[in-house]
Amino acid sequence: RKEVEQDPGPFNVPEGATVAFNCTYSNSASQSFFWYRQDCRKEPKLLMSVYSSGNEDGRFTAQLNRASQYISLLIRDSKLSDSATYLCVVIPEWASWGKLQFGSGTQVVVTP
Amino acid sequence: NAGVTQTPKFRVLKTGQSMTLLCAQDMNHEYMYWYRQDPGMGLRLIHYSVGEGTTAKGEVPDGYNVSRLKKQNFLLGLESAAPSQTSVYFCASNRGQGQPQHFGDGTRLSIL
Repeated sequence: RKEVEQDPGPFNVPEGATVAFNCTYSNSASQSFFWYRQDCRKEPKLLMSVYSSGNEDGRFTAQLNRASQYISLLIRDSKLSDSATYLCVVIPEWASWGKLQFGSGTQVVVTP
Repeated sequence: NAGVTQTPKFRVLKTGQSMTLLCAQDMNHEYMYWYRQDPGMGLRLIHYSVGEGTTAKGEVPDGYNVSRLKKQNFLLGLESAAPSQTSVYFCASNRGQGQPQHFGDGTRLSIL
């Protein structure tokens, strides 16, 4: 089983709609979580950190469910520019050198 | 701010040739990383460094060497390139454990 798993998609979303997807992780002691965005094999860019209480950044909402070991990302009012691959990133408790574990990504395609 | 800069952006090599990829960061980050990303796969860690003069193996280190002689630079070397090393290479850096990584814009390497 992979340490970090994501549904590869694609999630086809009409412009203006809401889309949500999850990322599961296997290490229950994982301590830090992030969502990155990657466009067409360009470099990954940090979208947002994920906090225990959940957090929002504009149209994006991230949630952490420690009991079920997953994080989620919800995008409201989807824009064409939201089309990208969203990478889930987890820092496991045992990673003493700042190594991150990346999911393979969830592709989102926003259509007009 | 330049952030993380990778050189070169593109390169084509013949099997057996050698080359060095350069990563430079101007954020005074302690930790630096080299990843490769192949179609349909997530980022895989090749080597990393937790400070000037230190290096360590990641998930897929075979066929690569690295050096971190200066804090701001992290070099990735291919001594004898093989077609299996055709990939997109990303360099990243961060301040330390638990912190998100900042990525360079990648080096696209093809080995014929």
